Amino acid sequence: GDSVTQMEGPVTLSEEAFLTINCTYTATGYPSLFWYVQYPGEGLQLLLKATKADDKGSNKGFEATYRKETTSFHLEKGSVQVSDSAVYFCALRSSSRASGGSYIPTFGRGTSLIVHP
Amino acid sequence: EAGVTQFPSHSVIEKGQTVTLRCDPISGHDNLYWYRRVMGKEIKFLLHFVKESKQDESGMPNNRFLAERTGGTYSTLKVQPAELEDSGVYFCASSQDRPQSPLHFGNGTRLTVT
Repeated sequence: GDSVTQMEGPVTLSEEAFLTINCTYTATGYPSLFWYVQYPGEGLQLLLKATKADDKGSNKGFEATYRKETTSFHLEKGSVQVSDSAVYFCALRSSSRASGGSYIPTFGRGTSLIVHP
Repeated sequence: EAGVTQFPSHSVIEKGQTVTLRCDPISGHDNLYWYRRVMGKEIKFLLHFVKESKQDESGMPNNRFLAERTGGTYSTLKVQPAELEDSGVYFCASSQDRPQSPLHFGNGTRLTVT
């Protein structure tokens, strides 16, 4: 079945440092890929997405490129801020309907990011 | 548009008691998902509704969990009787039925079973 693997956290950085959170996936066909962010006390919210190979999703200074050849969707930001401290989830949504007839979303374990001033 | 809302935000119950969680999806979203996250672990899929029909409940841990979505609007997830290992954050999400569509999550219900 589909799966998503994220790097273990927590990732601890100083403000203005460069961020990379690795994400690789296993899926049949051409899934859509997503990064979600969960700030303390809140639910997950969509950060960015890419729906086909070589697409780059971007939002709030974060970027991720859909790499089919390496089945990866790594999240990057050039200069992190304290306010970026959160848990980041990589996810995919299959392009094939599951037996139940839906496009089942699959999530990674989440990577906690802590940014110090 | 109003987002996904969940109630309650927190619940603390004793082992053996019953708890019912509620989720109101975004209007017009036929797909509704329940997920659970135990501290530091992955977001685990529980079940999926399309309108009022259960499409996939392969993630439901056992028969102590019962989910309903009467009329295809809001959904409830009942845990009866609750056990210690049921503690965690229960998320509800809704979406349109396209693979490119993201999920819209509620803020979750933090359940603590003591």
